Amino acid sequence: EIVLTQSPDFQSVIPKEKVTITCRASQSIGSSLHWYQQKPDQSPKLLIKYASQSFSGVPSRFSGSGSGTDFTLTINSLEAEDAATYYCHQSSSFPLTFGGGTKVEIK
Amino acid sequence: EVQLVESGGGLVQPGGSLRLSCAASGFTFSNSAMSWVRQAPGKGLEWVSAISGGGSATNYADSVKGRFAISRDISQNTLYLQIISLRAEDTAIYYCAKGGVNYVYVSEFWGQGTLVTVSA
Repeated sequence: EIVLTQSPDFQSVIPKEKVTITCRASQSIGSSLHWYQQKPDQSPKLLIKYASQSFSGVPSRFSGSGSGTDFTLTINSLEAEDAATYYCHQSSSFPLTFGGGTKVEIK
Repeated sequence: EVQLVESGGGLVQPGGSLRLSCAASGFTFSNSAMSWVRQAPGKGLEWVSAISGGGSATNYADSVKGRFAISRDISQNTLYLQIISLRAEDTAIYYCAKGGVNYVYVSEFWGQGTLVTVSA
């Protein structure tokens, strides 16, 4: 099973600040890494697929990078509405797995 | 517009069974990979099961193998998850999610979820 390790677990950020979340895979997954945003009491929403492809309708301040085992989600100029938990997810091989999540709080 | 509406959750005793449904619309259901993902109260996301676009391939998390069965009815545009031998640790919101065509399992759209509570 491919284990995804996210860091940090929690981040408290002021608006307009830049946020960087990392996801490390226990073995190479190419670019089969996706990022989701989940706000309280809502279902997850896809932000970035295949490491760096922005999903339709996602604000341009969200971007992704990486390949192999190391990946990054960047939120440029954080907005209040970005308060949420962010998850990485791999679809390279079964069982599919998720990272543990990173909670982003607005200061 | 893609819509996924789950139903079938509820309170079940340990050892009981349940069938979850996910009604799909707004896309070509017959060739879309589909997944079930669950989230225990206050916890993170856990992938449960997936089925390929044509329905020929199914996969399961080790924690549910032998107890959960994923299936789809193309004529009804509905995805199912049959669950038997329920345990307390199966308590969670169960989401269905739409992937890409055939064997593309990135979950692009999610339903609102249905809550399964396993308790005596």
